[in-house]
Amino acid sequence: EIVLTQSPATLSLSPGERATLSCRASQSVSSYLAWYQQKPGQAPRLLIYDASNRATGIPARFSGSGSGTDFTLTISSLEPEDFAVYYCQQRSNWRGITFGPGTKVDIK
Amino acid sequence: EVQLVESGGGLVQPGGSLRLSCAASGFTFSSYSMNWVRQAPGKGLEWVSYISSSSSTIYYADSVKGRFTISRDNAKNSLYLQMNSLRAEDTAVYYCARTLQNALGYWGQGTLVTVSS
Repeated sequence: EIVLTQSPATLSLSPGERATLSCRASQSVSSYLAWYQQKPGQAPRLLIYDASNRATGIPARFSGSGSGTDFTLTISSLEPEDFAVYYCQQRSNWRGITFGPGTKVDIK
Repeated sequence: EVQLVESGGGLVQPGGSLRLSCAASGFTFSSYSMNWVRQAPGKGLEWVSYISSSSSTIYYADSVKGRFTISRDNAKNSLYLQMNSLRAEDTAVYYCARTLQNALGYWGQGTLVTVSS
C-alpha cells in the first residue's frame, strides 16, 4: 500500500496570505495525485487532478505541482472560504486508492 | 448537472447487514467507474471500493474485503454497497464518488452508518 504523508498537520494563516501544503508518497505515484477540499458537514470537493490540473470551476488561486513522490498544493492568496481541511489522494492504480491524513488550514 | 444521492444508512447492531444505494443523474452512468469512500466521525477519508463501468473490475480495501460487496445497475443508474458482518469500526459517513480522469470528481452528500448495540 502506498502511504501518503501530509505536512503540516495544521497551517494557521491570515486571509490574503499564501498557503503551501505538502504531500509525500512512500513510493512513486507518477502524476496520479489529486487534492480535495473539505469543509465541516460537507462532502470533499475535487480541486486538482493529475498533480497540476484544476477541476472545473476551481479558482486560479489554487495550483498543484510535483511528480513522483513529492507534491505541493499552493493557494496564492487565501480567501475566507478557503479555510478548510485539504486531502491529497493517489491512484497509482484503482486497486488501492489512498488518502493522506489531511492538512487543516485555519485562521490565524 | 451531476448528482449523486446516497441512501440506506442507519443504525445497525454489530454483526448486522445494511445495503447502501447511490442514485446517479446528470451524466451517462454506464460510462463511468464508481467508488465508495467513507469517513469515520472526526477522522480522515478512507477509500472502500471501486467498480468499473461494466462491473468487470472490482476492488476492495483490505479492511472490508470479504464483508462488503459493491455492485451497480446501469439500467437503473444506481450503485450499491452490501455491507455484512458490520463492526463498530465501520461506523462512518459513506460517500459514493464518480471518477474523473484519475481522481474522484463528483461526490454525493453521504449517508451515515452507525454500528452499535
